[in-house]
Amino acid sequence: KQEVTQIPAALSVPEGENLVLNCSFTDSAIYNLQWFRQDPGKGLTSLLLIQSSQREQTSGRLNASLDKSSGRSTLYIAASQPGDSATYLCAVGAQKLVFGQGTRLTINP
Amino acid sequence: GAVVSQHPSRVICKSGTSVKIECRSLDFQATTMFWYRQFPKQSLMLMATSNEGSKATYEQGVEKDKFLINHASLTLSTLTVTSAHPEDSSFYICSAGTEPYSNQPQHFGDGTRLSIL
Repeated sequence: KQEVTQIPAALSVPEGENLVLNCSFTDSAIYNLQWFRQDPGKGLTSLLLIQSSQREQTSGRLNASLDKSSGRSTLYIAASQPGDSATYLCAVGAQKLVFGQGTRLTINP
Repeated sequence: GAVVSQHPSRVICKSGTSVKIECRSLDFQATTMFWYRQFPKQSLMLMATSNEGSKATYEQGVEKDKFLINHASLTLSTLTVTSAHPEDSSFYICSAGTEPYSNQPQHFGDGTRLSIL
């Protein structure tokens, strides 16, 4: 059974810092890995999707990497802004997704 | 881009009431939709897979008679929480994709906050 873990559970950093969020999964036979953003009381916004054959994806200040052999993915956020404050979730799967518990990120002005 | 609409966004009702939540794909046809449940400060847990024109597939531990799913068209799936009790209070979110095993990201609704008094 696939299990997804995210570390840390919460992170607070000053504005402008670069930061890394971590995601690990137990079964390396994944189809896709996605990173989502969730604002309080809201649904999910897809940030990046990495296919199993890919190593990384980039969108603006976000870069996600995937290492299937070690069962890990990282989400790198450059030059963080207060508007980046949210919970970040990673999930693996094709359509039936298995989610991590998320990292609650706070960017302090 | 593709949009998934979920309604209502919030429901507060008395114990014993049945509550229906709608999930619509606004600009694409979704043969499959997914229903997730999220408890406070926890992650999303898949409840069931909703298949257009056929019975839903429920995950282990989810009561199919408690959580009725109907997917009567390619753009609408409904989740009915029957005879809801306080322990059913949660955040329910649906998602939809355009095709099985697609490399396109799924699209999620904004969720429904259900509070049973």
